[in-house]
Amino acid sequence: DVKVTQSSRYLVKRTGEKVFLECVQDMDHENMFWYRQDPGLGLRLIYFSYDVKMKEKGDIPEGYSVSREKKERFSLILESASTNQTSMYLCASSGTSGGYNEQFFGPGTRLTVL
Amino acid sequence: QQQVKQSPQSLIVQKGGISIINCAYENTAFDYFPWYQQFPGKGPALLIAIRPDVSEKKEGRFTISFNKSAKQFSLHIMDSQPGDSATYFCAASHRDDKIIFGKGTRLHILP
Repeated sequence: DVKVTQSSRYLVKRTGEKVFLECVQDMDHENMFWYRQDPGLGLRLIYFSYDVKMKEKGDIPEGYSVSREKKERFSLILESASTNQTSMYLCASSGTSGGYNEQFFGPGTRLTVL
Repeated sequence: QQQVKQSPQSLIVQKGGISIINCAYENTAFDYFPWYQQFPGKGPALLIAIRPDVSEKKEGRFTISFNKSAKQFSLHIMDSQPGDSATYFCAASHRDDKIIFGKGTRLHILP
């Protein structure tokens, strides 16, 4: 059974803290994605990666960075968390062709920044 | 031009009824149109997808209708069941480009 796992289901952090969200996939997928999901705004792409050590900005990269040191792992970093980054964060992965291939999503991390 | 507009934002349907969610796009280069289903506490999962060379695709109770000239596509859920209550996202993409998602529709099926 294919799987995308995220390090935490719920996370509470304080303003200004550095936050790491980890995502691991076991499908040997080349592509990995980070989205945030907010009510009424749908899924918004933060960053994505087509290969190890490669990263591309999505639609809302401000305030975020990413790291992909290994094929199976894609990390989202909030350098200095702010309250407007309170959201549900979803990681996804897909095979060779990012658009045509099904994206498999993790269960999400609900982050609250106080 | 990269947007996918989805409506309605929320939908309530009686059990056994037909649920219809509509989406529209502008970019004529889009050539793959998936629908994702998300249950509470879970990530979205692919439900059904269509390419623009066909006008309809059916999988069980779920049907995508596609109107290329109008740049619109819709999801029909026949004989809707309480277990279909979820958030549905339409999406579009072109070849290796990233997927563009609609804002989602929260569907509630009354028992």
